[in-house]
Amino acid sequence: IVMTQSPDTLSLSPGEGATLSCRASQTLPRNSVAWYHQKPGQPPRLLIHDASTRATGISDRFSGGGSATHFTLTISRLESEDSGMYYCQQYGSSVTFGEGTKVEIK
Amino acid sequence: QVHLYQSGPGLVKPSETLSLTCSVSGASMTGYFWTWVRQPPGRSLEWISYMLYTGRTNSSPSLKSRVTMSVDTSKRQFTLSLSSVTAADTAVYYCTRGNGWNDIWGQGILVTVSS
Repeated sequence: IVMTQSPDTLSLSPGEGATLSCRASQTLPRNSVAWYHQKPGQPPRLLIHDASTRATGISDRFSGGGSATHFTLTISRLESEDSGMYYCQQYGSSVTFGEGTKVEIK
Repeated sequence: QVHLYQSGPGLVKPSETLSLTCSVSGASMTGYFWTWVRQPPGRSLEWISYMLYTGRTNSSPSLKSRVTMSVDTSKRQFTLSLSSVTAADTAVYYCTRGNGWNDIWGQGILVTVSS
């Protein structure tokens, strides 16, 4: 299953909101999608699993949605620490990751 | 608190076997899948393989013929072997814990394939 993320890059100001998209090439069973945030030189950090369940300790500014083949990650009230790469992952049929969306905070 | 720590050589010659070990601290290995993921420089993440604590395993179709994983719950370690490496296998290798999604990640180890 191919996961296609868009846009490639988002450049936004602090306080704004962001919506990241991830499309699967096939319908995913059980909304089996996770989202990760990665800063340079660090491992990815789990944000969301099962499409909409926030991981332990993740701020409620992060929310996941979608179903079937289209999933979204919404970040409200952007902060400078939110900059970095965001990856979606499907685990409904084997495991694949998207190519990532880069979020820049102006 | 659960921590994962990867160890192994940072440089491997082409055609040889890459071998890494992940040590688990702060939690039991039972009840979870243990996974290897890699990230070539400047690129996205690639799932390599996972193994349940019972030994049940699955690997990426593109790597399956070259991958071997093992789990030793008594030592709280799991290992990755990737045979016949080429320059395309140069990447940061992460060990992770997960049941589909991956909630705990090691810091990663850069493995360079070069003569």
